[in-house]
Amino acid sequence: QLVLTQSPSASASLGASVKLTCTLSSGHSTYAIAWHQQQPEKGPRYLMRVKSDGSHIKGDGIPDRFSGSSSGAERYLTISSLQSEDEADYYCQTWGTGAHWVFGGGTKVTVL
Amino acid sequence: QVQLVESGGGLVRPGGSLRLSCAASGFTFSDYYMSWIRQAPGKRLEWVSYISRSGSSVYYADSVKGRFTISRDNARTSLYLQMNSLRVEDTAVYYCARDEDLSSPDYWGQGTLVTVSS
Repeated sequence: QLVLTQSPSASASLGASVKLTCTLSSGHSTYAIAWHQQQPEKGPRYLMRVKSDGSHIKGDGIPDRFSGSSSGAERYLTISSLQSEDEADYYCQTWGTGAHWVFGGGTKVTVL
Repeated sequence: QVQLVESGGGLVRPGGSLRLSCAASGFTFSDYYMSWIRQAPGKRLEWVSYISRSGSSVYYADSVKGRFTISRDNARTSLYLQMNSLRVEDTAVYYCARDEDLSSPDYWGQGTLVTVSS
């Protein structure tokens, strides 16, 4: 079964970096994923797509301080030079047959 | 710029019906797949349904199959979700989203809240 696992929370200081992890379930380690940001009381915003080789394609207007990478079954989102507006929930998402889109549980990022 | 604006949410009794709409602008609507995704309070995002560019193919999550119907009007650049036999567990914010290649949404709406309660 295709499942995405995320840590529930992460925090870092203003101006620092934070790296979020999304883990693909067994047997699905080659899948690409997408990252979406959801700021408080807003709809989600597409950030980027990350492939198994670590390459990533960003959405329109996404700042350079957002980057993606991969290692095995893990897909990462790194936010550099954290700003207050980066405080949000971050969801990873992938696509497969049947269930179409599958979402992770989300990681809440707190900027200290 | 791309805009997706949902409407039609509200409070409805269990067993009732509701029709959601999503008005699209800023892009060629008929070039994109469209989907509905929902988020129950405190829960993760859940894909609900998708419709092909022409509207000829539709898919549903098992949780809504047989109760919800997705449709689109390319002339009106609008997406719809007819929700029947609503259950308490259908309570959620419903988002519409566009999708270029069936991989991931690249633009989302701001959502509309559906509350199913007696």
